[in-house]
Amino acid sequence: QSVLTQPPSASGTPGQRVTISCSGSSSNIGSNYVYWYQQLPGTAPKLLIYRDSQRPSGVPDRFSGSKSGTSASLAISGLRSEDEADYYCAAWDNSLSGWVFGGGTKLTVL
Amino acid sequence: EVQLVESGGGLVQPGGSLRLSCVASGFTLSTYWMSWVRQAPGKGLEWVANIKKDGSEKYYVDSVKGRFTISKDNVKNSLYLQMNSLRAEDTAVYYCARENTNRGGLDYWGQGTLVTVSS
Repeated sequence: QSVLTQPPSASGTPGQRVTISCSGSSSNIGSNYVYWYQQLPGTAPKLLIYRDSQRPSGVPDRFSGSKSGTSASLAISGLRSEDEADYYCAAWDNSLSGWVFGGGTKLTVL
Repeated sequence: EVQLVESGGGLVQPGGSLRLSCVASGFTLSTYWMSWVRQAPGKGLEWVANIKKDGSEKYYVDSVKGRFTISKDNVKNSLYLQMNSLRAEDTAVYYCARENTNRGGLDYWGQGTLVTVSS
């Protein structure tokens, strides 16, 4: 059971917009930044969004992040086949004194 | 170019020990917090431990406290994870990752090393 809660799966067709939710608590998302990672099949995770809504250089602006209270979400617009991957949210947890991750959401591009 | 290369994984019996290494290049280890994150086969990511820039602070997930020790050698630019009293549930790919000082989060990851605990 992960500390952060994500839907196990999401799907969309090319060109569509999909969103992935991430729910936490006051000790993690409610008081710290949220980070999103993309893990393509067979590869290491890659930082996709930092500090709730910022994109590292090289990440397309099709990816966007937002946060409200103890929940966050990742939106992917103009869905492409290469976006098919596992997506994880993460935040520092003040009570646990450690990073906590969501269980991951497998995105399928139909 | 920032690179992280893990090594030391392998097959070990329950109760055994293993030491993972992560060699960093392209940056100076002494100026970053570093983490170990693991992923059991077919499962999600789980943070294991992290260590402060100078090694003076260390944090662990509850499931490994007292069994795993994170350390670093800033001269060798290397990060380590000593794993003792290994259990079947420790079977996973172990990644080392750099924590970005200014932005936060884990901005660079190694390719991972597989640890299998089985008799």
